[in-house]
Amino acid sequence: DAKTTQPPSMDCAEGRAANLPCNHSTISGNEYVYWYRQIHSQGPQYIIHGLKNNETNEMASLIITEDRKSSTLILPHATLRDTAVYYCIVRVEYGNKLVFGAGTILRVKS
Amino acid sequence: NAGVTQTPKFQVLKTGQSMTLQCAQDMNHEYMSWYRQDPGMGLRLIHYSVGAGITDQGEVPNGYNVSRSTTEDFPLRLLSAAPSQTSVYFCASSSPYNEQFFGPGTRLTVL
Repeated sequence: DAKTTQPPSMDCAEGRAANLPCNHSTISGNEYVYWYRQIHSQGPQYIIHGLKNNETNEMASLIITEDRKSSTLILPHATLRDTAVYYCIVRVEYGNKLVFGAGTILRVKS
Repeated sequence: NAGVTQTPKFQVLKTGQSMTLQCAQDMNHEYMSWYRQDPGMGLRLIHYSVGAGITDQGEVPNGYNVSRSTTEDFPLRLLSAAPSQTSVYFCASSSPYNEQFFGPGTRLTVL
């Protein structure tokens, strides 16, 4: 699975959009971009995933660049409960092996 | 649905002791996995299973055994606990092509 690079930490004001970047320059054509988050040592929680088109669900939006070498997770209206570690992971869709990096610590502040 | 359940939530062992961490899921998922998370780090894959009777090693399998006799259960056995195995252990399950669901974790301390 391809390796990802994320900033170690970010701050965001409550109510504003949080934009979390991820670089995955060695991603293969059959690998998807997945985002998980981990709130205060709980088990990781799935957020969203995509292949090459932008995706949106009730939690977030995922923007993938045309060359697929980077992506951005967008939380449109961050709340204090969104404070967590966010992990960007690339993997083939048919498989259950997730390779976690250190992730980005997102701090939402009032 | 209870989702993915793990027992115990906390455990303290002495070096050399053995124990089994339990994991169960009620979603009829084929895939199950065990991860460990050390302080300040991401999760690392220990063992995984793609179905009953099938298991394979992940990134850090040494010191751990698994078996998968049923779809629902995927226990993780520590053969002879060492201080280096002090960690938080997460179990996860999924069906093919879908996201993984994680349990609440077991916090293990080995003295």
